[in-house]
Amino acid sequence: DAMVIQNPRYQVTQFGKPVTLSCSQTLNHNVMYWYQQKSSQAPKLLFHYYDKDFNNEADTPDNFQSRRPNTSFCFLDIRSPGLGDAAMYLCATSTLDGYQPQHFGDGTRLSIL
Amino acid sequence: DQQVKQNSPSLSVQEGRISILNCDYTNSMFDYFLWYKKYPAEGPTFLISISSIKDKNEDGRFTVFLNKSAKHLSLHIVPSQPGDSAVYFCAASARIQGAQKLVFGQGTRLTINP
Repeated sequence: DAMVIQNPRYQVTQFGKPVTLSCSQTLNHNVMYWYQQKSSQAPKLLFHYYDKDFNNEADTPDNFQSRRPNTSFCFLDIRSPGLGDAAMYLCATSTLDGYQPQHFGDGTRLSIL
Repeated sequence: DQQVKQNSPSLSVQEGRISILNCDYTNSMFDYFLWYKKYPAEGPTFLISISSIKDKNEDGRFTVFLNKSAKHLSLHIVPSQPGDSAVYFCAASARIQGAQKLVFGQGTRLTINP
């Protein structure tokens, strides 16, 4: 089945230690998104890639970066994680058709020690 | 400024009855609306959607209603089943920079009681 896969499902890192989360897709979608969801809150868009074009949300901290080396893979890098960055990180994909749903992975839960 | 609001954090419904989940939005630029269902430890799963040119879309037990003048949408599930117990997120979409940007509500936890 075509899908969006996130690895790892659970990640623990130390305060200030860089961490990378990964997302892969077999849907061949042009657009990939990263969302942050904190406990009992709505998922919040961090940034998205339209093919290789990177689009950052205005309020996404500089601490968060992303890479998309090819259509299938997208990475979220957190350069110096703080305690406030503990959250569920969700990857999603979509086509360019604005009237098709985004498809989500199962997320990576990030804990900061 | 919360552009999409789900005012009920939780809802409890008897099995077989109708579940109605509500969502309000503020931005008139939104032109596509979606409902996602989320089980614990899983990502959101797409349930049903509606574009702004329609006022109703039905898929099996699930119907979404859109009232553009009131900036309100609702999801009806009938009959409700125990497997419907999950968190439901409303999302609104606008096309910006070639991509569909979703704004989510905070979710409603639906519990179906046998």
